[in-house]
Amino acid sequence: ETGVTQSPTHLIKTRGQQVTLRCSSQSGHNTVSWYQQALGQGPQFIFQYYREEENGRGNFPPRFSGLQFPNYSSELNVNALELDDSALYLCASTLGVGRTDTQYFGPGTRLTVL
Amino acid sequence: GIQVEQSPPDLILQEGANSTLRCNFSDSVNNLQWFHQNPWGQLINLFYIPSGTKQNGRLSATTVATERYSLLYISSSQTTDSGVYFCAVTNYGQNFVFGPGTRLSVLP
Repeated sequence: ETGVTQSPTHLIKTRGQQVTLRCSSQSGHNTVSWYQQALGQGPQFIFQYYREEENGRGNFPPRFSGLQFPNYSSELNVNALELDDSALYLCASTLGVGRTDTQYFGPGTRLTVL
Repeated sequence: GIQVEQSPPDLILQEGANSTLRCNFSDSVNNLQWFHQNPWGQLINLFYIPSGTKQNGRLSATTVATERYSLLYISSSQTTDSGVYFCAVTNYGQNFVFGPGTRLSVLP
């Protein structure tokens, strides 16, 4: 039990639609990172939010966007869904920027794009 | 950016056997962690080990930072050890770079 929750657990969308995934961090954790894990691969960093501002981004297009709220929850939004967006999406929270040593992962949301 | 390799990609063991998983990385790191991902997708921290040796029950890990590799040892494997093992590093940045994983299957 990591104290990080994600919703929904599973989601099915069609190509071109938009999706919002949610993450609730551990209380007090002011940094949240999002990762995309395609089938059979390791997770890849999408972006990180620190105190409600984007604080770094991986190699993902602008149609991947996020929000972080003062209550330690956050969202990942993906517009204009493509088939290759089908993946497990993981969020991870930590106290303080750059503190990957205490980064805890949620159980993930499995997105299928048809 | 930093590259992370893991070997072997797949491993099948009989219950009770021992195994060694390897992680190689291409640059200096300030953080290295081993994770176990269960069949439901949950990533569980096993070790925070940027250098040195640690043990936790049947699991132990060693990182030789100067030679840019880390090893995860699993002794007396159990069926519950099945899943994917990831090595993840941080190169003085804010995010993990994950390896491709080793898929372990422990047969009863």
